[in-house]
Amino acid sequence: GQQVMQIPQYQHVQEGEDFTTYCNSSTTLSNIQWYKQRPGGHPVFLIQLVKSGEVKKQKRLTFQFGEAKKNSSLHITATQTTDVGTYFCAVVLMDSSYKLIFGSGTRLLVRP
Amino acid sequence: NAGVTQTPKFRILKIGQSMTLQCAQDMNHNYMYWYRQDPGMGLKLIYYSVGAGITDKGEVPNGYNVSRSTTEDFPLRLELAAPSQTSVYFCASGGSLAGGFGPQYFGPGTRLLVL
Repeated sequence: GQQVMQIPQYQHVQEGEDFTTYCNSSTTLSNIQWYKQRPGGHPVFLIQLVKSGEVKKQKRLTFQFGEAKKNSSLHITATQTTDVGTYFCAVVLMDSSYKLIFGSGTRLLVRP
Repeated sequence: NAGVTQTPKFRILKIGQSMTLQCAQDMNHNYMYWYRQDPGMGLKLIYYSVGAGITDKGEVPNGYNVSRSTTEDFPLRLELAAPSQTSVYFCASGGSLAGGFGPQYFGPGTRLLVL
């Protein structure tokens, strides 16, 4: 079945440090989405990447889609305490279904 | 717009009981999804629907059933509750954009405890 690996499982950083989470698939992806879930909350959509090699930025967040469309990354520059939460990638299978499969998530903790 | 609403917010069930988790969206989205999230874990797709009258299984459908009689509503049914179904259940809806999927919008979740 579809394998979506997300690493690391968690990361604890000092406020101001950078943070990166990676999402890797065993098969070519149609597109990839990123979500953030605050503790006790629900996932909130951040961005969608569709094109091979695509790079998108949202303020301190940079999202990349690999050239082979099998991996993606989310990089946060100069983390803040408001960045605390779990970051999930979600992939759409290229099997003509409409399943959106979530990675296991990376939990980010930020020390003030 | 209310977005995606879920009821109840919290429920305790005894083993063997049944219940329906309600989900409604007012964004006229075709796609709707049910996920479960166990403590400290990711989201697992239970069932999904691409439109009224069309449903399909996700990754973990056993023990659940769904129906989609209208665009707005997508209830999830648990027939014989088991302790393994203790989890937080999220409903989500989404539309399509050029190039494929659009964002998914999640409801606030239903916390279910089976004892």
